Amino acid sequence: QSVLTQPPSVSGAPGQRVTISCTGSNSNIGAGYNVNWFQLIPGTSPKLLIFDDNNRPSGVPARISGSKSGTSASLAITGLQAEDEAEYYCQSYDSSLTGYIIFGGGTKLTVL
Amino acid sequence: EGQLLESGGGVVQPGETLRLSCGASGFTFGMFAMTWVRQAPGKGLEWVASISGSGSFTYHADSVQGRFIISRDNSKNTLFLQMSDLRAEDTAVYYCAKDLSSYCSSPTCYSFDLWGQGTLVTVSS
Repeated sequence: QSVLTQPPSVSGAPGQRVTISCTGSNSNIGAGYNVNWFQLIPGTSPKLLIFDDNNRPSGVPARISGSKSGTSASLAITGLQAEDEAEYYCQSYDSSLTGYIIFGGGTKLTVL
Repeated sequence: EGQLLESGGGVVQPGETLRLSCGASGFTFGMFAMTWVRQAPGKGLEWVASISGSGSFTYHADSVQGRFIISRDNSKNTLFLQMSDLRAEDTAVYYCAKDLSSYCSSPTCYSFDLWGQGTLVTVSS
């Protein structure tokens, strides 16, 4: 079981907005550590979508955004497109005994 | 831009040893921390180990501590993962990844902007 909790799946129709939550605790997200988001399409390498909570690398469209509040973070995708169908992972740092870098369990996004 | 290329994966028996390599190009390798992340079949991403740009500091997940060792050769732009006492649960695709920022000095701020294509390690008798 992952230290960061994500819903196993979300779905939306083309053009709609979806959000993916990432719930942590006071030893990771709640402690102020940055949250990053990755997209993983089967057969390809993970792609960085959001870093440091809400920053997009060059090349990532503005319809993808990140936010953080308290012990949780969220990834939002607006104007959903078929190419967005993938798995999404949040990642942060944990200061507890298990420590270091942690990933969420992943969320499968299905475009209906 | 940059590129990472892993090699060294394969099929091994439980208890055996394997060394993965990750060749880097297109960026100043020694300026960036590097990390190994794995994905077991049907499972999510799992952090394995990280190493600072200079190689002076290393960090390993509890699940591999004492069995895996991360290292790097900055003169050859290459990252390594020495894996010993391999177990069935180590079966996974192993990715190497580059840290986004050369200013990040610890895992507290790591984020991974460049990934290799992955190499499959299968541990089976």
